[in-house]
Amino acid sequence: SQQGEEDPQALSIQEGENATMNCSYKTSINNLQWYRQNSGRGLVHLILIRSNEREKHSGRLRVTLDTSKKSSSLLITASRAADTASYFCATAIFNTGFQKLVFGTGTRLLVSP
Amino acid sequence: KAGVTQTPRYLIKTRGQQVTLSCSPISGHRSVSWYQQTPGQGLQFLFEYFSETQRNKGNFPGRFSGRQFSNSRSEMNVSTLELGDSALYLCASSSLSTENTEAFFGQGTRLTVV
Repeated sequence: SQQGEEDPQALSIQEGENATMNCSYKTSINNLQWYRQNSGRGLVHLILIRSNEREKHSGRLRVTLDTSKKSSSLLITASRAADTASYFCATAIFNTGFQKLVFGTGTRLLVSP
Repeated sequence: KAGVTQTPRYLIKTRGQQVTLSCSPISGHRSVSWYQQTPGQGLQFLFEYFSETQRNKGNFPGRFSGRQFSNSRSEMNVSTLELGDSALYLCASSSLSTENTEAFFGQGTRLTVV
């Protein structure tokens, strides 16, 4: 079963605008990871945020994590057409040396030139 | 460093056949996990291997199996294929050096069952 629910399911913006995607989850986690997927290809790792972190930046990406609300957001600033993809959050639970990722439903982002 | 390599990229099989998919993790990574992605169910965890041992398995029938070799390369096998097994199969590699480590994915194998 999927732990994460992402919102919105689809987002359409113009180049230069910011895109915000949200992810909610149900259980305690060790970390949360965001991935990008271009039309049915592999997942590209974007960023990992630990459960004791509240915000993390990587280039044009900003991720926040609110463990009290069990939610995370991914902000892409100054979007480009090349950012068009599906974005997934994955919660990670680490137990006895094993890290299991549970993926959200994904947000399809379309950035128009 | 080379990334995660999955072969083949595309496969077409007939119902009832079996298939073997291969995954070579990033050098030095000992954990390999497999996921199935379908439009209806999204990304679902299949199983994870570490040092040739399966440590965890998702909720899939016994037709889905796997193994890991001493060089950390992994294979997954699906026997008696069904139409519903058509999916993108993704392999992830991780060092698991701490409890917060990234999982890196390959390009996937697109399996079509006809």
